[in-house]
Amino acid sequence: ETGVTQSPTHLIKTRGQQVTLRCSSQSGHNTVSWYQQALGQGPQFIFQYYREEENGRGNFPPRFSGLQFPNYSSELNVNALELDDSALYLCASSSGGTPEGYTFGSGTRLTVV
Amino acid sequence: GEDVEQSLFLSVREGDSSVINCTYTDSSSTYLYWYKQEPGAGLQLLTYIFSNMDMKQDQRLTVLLNKKDKHLSLRIADTQTGDSAIYFCAEDTRAGFQKLVFGTGTRLLVSP
Repeated sequence: ETGVTQSPTHLIKTRGQQVTLRCSSQSGHNTVSWYQQALGQGPQFIFQYYREEENGRGNFPPRFSGLQFPNYSSELNVNALELDDSALYLCASSSGGTPEGYTFGSGTRLTVV
Repeated sequence: GEDVEQSLFLSVREGDSSVINCTYTDSSSTYLYWYKQEPGAGLQLLTYIFSNMDMKQDQRLTVLLNKKDKHLSLRIADTQTGDSAIYFCAEDTRAGFQKLVFGTGTRLLVSP
């Protein structure tokens, strides 16, 4: 059984550019959630995808968007990057809402310069 | 509203017990969690407690929940240098979907 994998692990982008981050969910998991963790802060919920539909969203602007594919993997897209978007982006996959099943990946460290 | 608060820093000596505290606001949370994050790494689930329990023990870890005061604590017995990390508590708000609200994290430093 594979865990949650995220790619790339690190990324540097310029302000105004667009970025796509990827997440492969754990085998058997049909739900993917994305979180943003700024330096020195706790993770903040961005949105969740369930069966290819956005299922819930946090307080993030529309330039943060996502996709979920039939194999339940997911992408996070951020347009018009700002310096404050620099953070660790974490993906978590889950199924059935059980606490043990909420599994985080190691994250993508995005730096916007 | 949703808000989870933690103290920022705790320093203990190896072999002592560590107690990390957390307060939360959403009384409808079903589960409350403790996660560990080591430098440059993702989040590792340490333990969780169901909201109708007041205590849970798991090897060196003891979680205490006071629902009346919305207070959660994590006690680590016989703390080791390998326990040095940032510890996050999180509440599981279920407004139609599972979403975790995290505190700002407590940095635990264990000295030999």
